[in-house]
Amino acid sequence: AQSVTQLDSQVPVFEEAPVELRCNYSSSVSVYLFWYVQYPNQGLQLLLKYLSGSTLVESINGFEAEFNKSQTSFHLRKPSVHISDTAEYFCAVSEGSGATNKLIFGTGTLLAVQP
Amino acid sequence: NAGVMQNPRHLVRRRGQEARLRCSPMKGHSHVYWYRQLPEEGLKFMVYLQKENIIDESGMPKERFSAEFPKEGPSILRIQQVVRGDSAAYFCASSPRNPQEGHGYTFGSGTRLTVV
Repeated sequence: AQSVTQLDSQVPVFEEAPVELRCNYSSSVSVYLFWYVQYPNQGLQLLLKYLSGSTLVESINGFEAEFNKSQTSFHLRKPSVHISDTAEYFCAVSEGSGATNKLIFGTGTLLAVQP
Repeated sequence: NAGVMQNPRHLVRRRGQEARLRCSPMKGHSHVYWYRQLPEEGLKFMVYLQKENIIDESGMPKERFSAEFPKEGPSILRIQQVVRGDSAAYFCASSPRNPQEGHGYTFGSGTRLTVV
């Protein structure tokens, strides 16, 4: 069965510092990988996704994630964070071709950016 | 182009009452998913529907919970005889394409159910 592990429940960081949010998954089949962001009292917004091709994917607001098949990881990084990046970040996985597109989510990591 | 619309945003029910949560997918989307987020937890898949069909309900509790997506109108998640443990945020998501293409979907803002 698929599962997603986000080891860090909370990551405090100072503004303009770099950050890495860790995500590891387990699956016996090919997968699609996603990062979603949730601001307080809002729904989830897709931040970036890996479907195939280049293992490094980027978002429009400076985040990037790298798919590492050998380490079954999809860590999210940003070289310099802003106060506005404070939110809950969820890593998710779904099975590849032939599946129902059901997403399995990690428990989330709260990114707390401090001035 | 409106996003995924969920209503109500907040719903308070007494134990034993029924809760009905509505979800209107994005225009042109025919796949709907329901997820539940318990306090301090990630989202858990509940059910996946297409118009008039339940495709995957492996995450639905066996009793009191049901979902539908009729030919016309929104998708409905119904919880009968609610209990305090049903208090959670319920999110709906929709996607336009064949799910085998593996695209992420668009989430609504959720319905926060509180059972008192």
